[in-house]
Amino acid sequence: DQQVKQNSPSLSVQEGRISILNCDYTNSMFDYFLWYKKYPAEGPTFLISISSIKDKNEDGRFTVFLNKSAKHLSLHIVPSQPGDSAVYFCAASSPHNFGNEKLTFGTGTRLTIIP
Amino acid sequence: DAGVTQSPTHLIKTRGQHVTLRCSPISGHKSVSWYQQVLGQGPQFIFQYYEKEERGRGNFPDRFSARQFPNYSSELNVNALLLGDSALYLCASSTEDRGLYEQYFGPGTRLTVT
Repeated sequence: DQQVKQNSPSLSVQEGRISILNCDYTNSMFDYFLWYKKYPAEGPTFLISISSIKDKNEDGRFTVFLNKSAKHLSLHIVPSQPGDSAVYFCAASSPHNFGNEKLTFGTGTRLTIIP
Repeated sequence: DAGVTQSPTHLIKTRGQHVTLRCSPISGHKSVSWYQQVLGQGPQFIFQYYEKEERGRGNFPDRFSARQFPNYSSELNVNALLLGDSALYLCASSTEDRGLYEQYFGPGTRLTVT
């Protein structure tokens, strides 16, 4: 039962353009969403998060959008840079419902930035 | 400030053996969580500890156990290793100030069971 889904295993984007990574979830109890970036042989690095009371959160080149009715979120990276090439994971949490802050991850999207 | 540290980096064990993985959280973080990541999948939650108490447990067999020490470091123990336990084991720490769901990961321990 995959509660967090990233349906695109890979994505290639030209340097300088916008990268859009998508994520869908099925559990309506989730109320915090996070994006992580992972390079090979390293642990995931926290990028940005959003609470379910918001529909947008911005941090520098990274913006996350949340559409609760569609149970969909997306990460926008503008402009894309070669160092953004990595695997991106979407994760969700529901601390108020489960009594713990465990993260449920998607399967990841490999982003490749083409110079 | 140092990030989350894990030891060892790599480990090779034989089926049936036992393994202990170690994690030190970011200074000031009182919560540690453990995740298992197999190839091609996202990390799967194993345990969360906060203030030395178990706060959450994922869908893993009793062969998996963990504890948190007074200095907030943590150990993950796996008994009777199976081939399917081969994976990257990730430790993450978090603090109440940022919300315990905002977790910062270490580099992981790569476990290979032969």
